[in-house]
Amino acid sequence: AQSVTQLDSHVSVSEGTPVLLRCNYSSSYSPSLFWYVQHPNKGLQLLLKYTSAATLVKGINGFEAEFKKSETSFHLTKPSAHMSDAAEYFCVVSGASGSARQLTFGSGTQLTVLP
Amino acid sequence: NAGVTQTPKFRILKIGQSMTLQCTQDMNHNYMYWYRQDPGMGLKLIYYSVGAGITDKGEVPNGYNVSRSTTEDFPLRLELAAPSQTSVYFCASSSAPALAGVADTQYFGPGTRLTVL
Repeated sequence: AQSVTQLDSHVSVSEGTPVLLRCNYSSSYSPSLFWYVQHPNKGLQLLLKYTSAATLVKGINGFEAEFKKSETSFHLTKPSAHMSDAAEYFCVVSGASGSARQLTFGSGTQLTVLP
Repeated sequence: NAGVTQTPKFRILKIGQSMTLQCTQDMNHNYMYWYRQDPGMGLKLIYYSVGAGITDKGEVPNGYNVSRSTTEDFPLRLELAAPSQTSVYFCASSSAPALAGVADTQYFGPGTRLTVL
């Protein structure tokens, strides 16, 4: 079984300040981990993914995440927030289960960027 | 290259009505998925398909049916709509399964917002 916990349902930052969105996971396997972003009334877009290569993963739009196995965490960061970063962010874990297949989504973190 | 397209964008149904949500992808992906997203929640997998003619249940399949007659299309059928099926439905596709160590990207459509009254 696998699960994902996003520790904050809402995060507010000022434009130009750092962003930290926290994610913890549990998995019976060595997991693959993703961060997806969802802008209002849009589908989900992949920001970055971890697949057991480098533990520090760089994604689009200046985002990056670090896989820490000892802490079972995969936190998303960005050095300087932009107004266009305001969106909902989902941490996602994938694993193997029989013939599966499936991703397990966290409940999401709503990021607000203040001017 | 349109990616994953879904129709309709919005729909209101009465209890007991039926409808089909359409999903088409033009990336020649073998794997396709249907998710639902309830307010304030992450996505939950309804059904998925690993190729034409092959489908399997996800986490929340009750009240839904799917078929996969072609690589491109993966329609989702609601036979007897219930208020509990009010949700946003997302279709996605990938070229490989999202298994550990094979973390293929899933590409999502824009979603269908369904309300059942």
